[in-house]
Amino acid sequence: ETGVTQTPRHLVMGMTNKKSLKCEQHLGHNAMYWYKQSAKKPLELMFVYNFKEQTENNSVPSRFSPECPNSSHLFLHLHTLQPEDSALYLCASSQDRGVPGNTIYFGEGSWLTVV
Amino acid sequence: QKEVEQNSGPLSVPEGAIASLNCTYSDRGSQSFFWYRQYSGKSPELIMFIYSNGDKEDGRFTAQLNKASQYVSLLIRDSQPSDSATYLCAVYAGNNRKLIWGLGTSLAVNP
Repeated sequence: ETGVTQTPRHLVMGMTNKKSLKCEQHLGHNAMYWYKQSAKKPLELMFVYNFKEQTENNSVPSRFSPECPNSSHLFLHLHTLQPEDSALYLCASSQDRGVPGNTIYFGEGSWLTVV
Repeated sequence: QKEVEQNSGPLSVPEGAIASLNCTYSDRGSQSFFWYRQYSGKSPELIMFIYSNGDKEDGRFTAQLNKASQYVSLLIRDSQPSDSATYLCAVYAGNNRKLIWGLGTSLAVNP
């Protein structure tokens, strides 16, 4: 138990579906992140929120839409995804953003399969 | 040149041996360095971090940092089969305030 909880753990969706991934952190952190992990690629940072304000969007397609209602909750809304979007999506949090030594803690991840 | 490079492995060591995992980075201004362990089908978990040149020990794990040569390594003493996992190196590049990840090294500890 890392203090970062993600649901669902597994999701299979069609290309026309709309679904959402949910993340909640119980660590009192100020920054939250969405990462994508695909085979044979380094972890890809998608979005960063600091004090519930989005501070980074790393050229992520608009079919991925983040939402951060407060510092403890983060969502990733999914719409009209492509099969190549199938991957492990990791939520993470840290005390602050952009501070050297800032340790990131990951949730258990959501395995997404787009069919 | 990749920003953070790791040998993908697999690195295979016998139980009880020392496993040595290496990571090189390109940004000389990098300030902090992290090692994460990721078991198959699981998320990455932090093992340790290091900021200063030299060694940092935590139980069976030792991180070694050499900023002049731009590498950081992780030594695992008395390797156990439960250490079999992928080890990710991450480097905080202070100039652009980003955490850059390596691809990871797969370690197999054989009983």
